[in-house]
Amino acid sequence: QSALTQPASVSGSPGQSITISCTGTSSDVGGYNYVSWYQQYPGKAPKLIIYEVSNRPSGVSNRFSGSKSDNTASLTISGLQAEDEADYYCGSYTRNYTRVFGGGTKLTVL
Amino acid sequence: EVQLVESGGGLVQPGGSLRLSCAVSGFTVSTKYMSWVRQAPGKGLEWVSLLYSGGITYYGDSVKGRFTISRDKSKNTLYLQMNSLRPEDTAVYYCTRDSGAARYGMDVWGQGTTVTVSS
Repeated sequence: QSALTQPASVSGSPGQSITISCTGTSSDVGGYNYVSWYQQYPGKAPKLIIYEVSNRPSGVSNRFSGSKSDNTASLTISGLQAEDEADYYCGSYTRNYTRVFGGGTKLTVL
Repeated sequence: EVQLVESGGGLVQPGGSLRLSCAVSGFTVSTKYMSWVRQAPGKGLEWVSLLYSGGITYYGDSVKGRFTISRDKSKNTLYLQMNSLRPEDTAVYYCTRDSGAARYGMDVWGQGTTVTVSS
């Protein structure tokens, strides 16, 4: 059950777009369209922002979008805002019916 | 209102046991998949355990054989029994609804309960 691979940090200026990658294997990310993304502020519980690769729960801004190619999923945040500064985690269903998370990416808005 | 409220965390010595509870409101615990997720201080999320609605359970390699997930339908509560605790089990433990309104996504999270394993 190896964790999915995410960059430790990304940064961008207000108004720009950034993309966070999440790399797994054919046993998780590549094998199913069940990748999810979570946003977490310091000291708070994570919040689901993307599920099934590209679906947004009700109430989540359309500035957040997701995609997948082979074993790598991506989260794109467009029109970056100061409030987007947070930690972001990807998660995936696995072939063993379990779940796995990425190591997390700290987003800094410059 | 859909809500998860964890309790039961605290300080425990290595080798000790603790039982976490997650009180569920707004839906029936036995009809949804439920997961426990933990986060060690300054670290990322780690999936711990999953209880499918049908009753099948799964565990992460780091807790297999030591932790047990269960539910009580009458109390609408999810549990995590943690035995043989190690310092590396120190973390905030979150109860989550797994695959509720979002297939294979954790759409509802509790506020977390802190477990500290130390002598």
